[in-house]
Amino acid sequence: KQEVTQIPAALSVPEGENLVLNCSFTDSAIYNLQWFRQDPGKGLTSLLLIQSSQREQTSGRLNASLDKSSGRSTLYIAASQPGDSATYLCAVRANSKLTFGKGITLSVRP
Amino acid sequence: DTAVSQTPKYLVTQMGNDKSIKCEQNLGHDTMYWYKQDSKKFLKIMFSYNNKELIINETVPNRFSPKSPDKAHLNLHINSLELGDSAVYFCASSQQLGVADTQYFGPGTRLTVL
Repeated sequence: KQEVTQIPAALSVPEGENLVLNCSFTDSAIYNLQWFRQDPGKGLTSLLLIQSSQREQTSGRLNASLDKSSGRSTLYIAASQPGDSATYLCAVRANSKLTFGKGITLSVRP
Repeated sequence: DTAVSQTPKYLVTQMGNDKSIKCEQNLGHDTMYWYKQDSKKFLKIMFSYNNKELIINETVPNRFSPKSPDKAHLNLHINSLELGDSAVYFCASSQQLGVADTQYFGPGTRLTVL
């Protein structure tokens, strides 16, 4: 059974800091890994998707990496801004099923 | 110009009632999903449909019955509501089930059972 872990559950950083969010998963037989952002009371917004054959994906200030063999992914956020404050969820897909971590709630202080 | 929409946004009801949540996507996707996010914010898949056919039923009580009248719609009907059904329910869709297919989520329906 796939388990996805995100630690810590919450993170608070000052504006401008570069930061790394971690995600680990137990079963490396995955199709892809997706990072989502969830704002309070809102739905999920897809940030990046990394296919199992890929090592990383970049979008603007965001960079996500995938090490399938070790069951790890990181989301790197450069020059963090208060608008980046949200919960970031990692999800891995195997077959038709997407398994989510519990998310990391990020707070960027002005 | 909403890609994945859900109605209603909020639903408050008494235990024992039957209720439905509707989902529509205008992305032309073949696959749709229902997820439940509990009070601890843990998001878990409930159902997945591909081309109107059920492909995942993740040990959900049979009081929950998804219905897909066409590829653009996946509705969730819940019978005999229980307190533990209180949660936020998210609908999502993806092009198909390919490795590069991103899932797009609706805004969620917050269900409160009293």
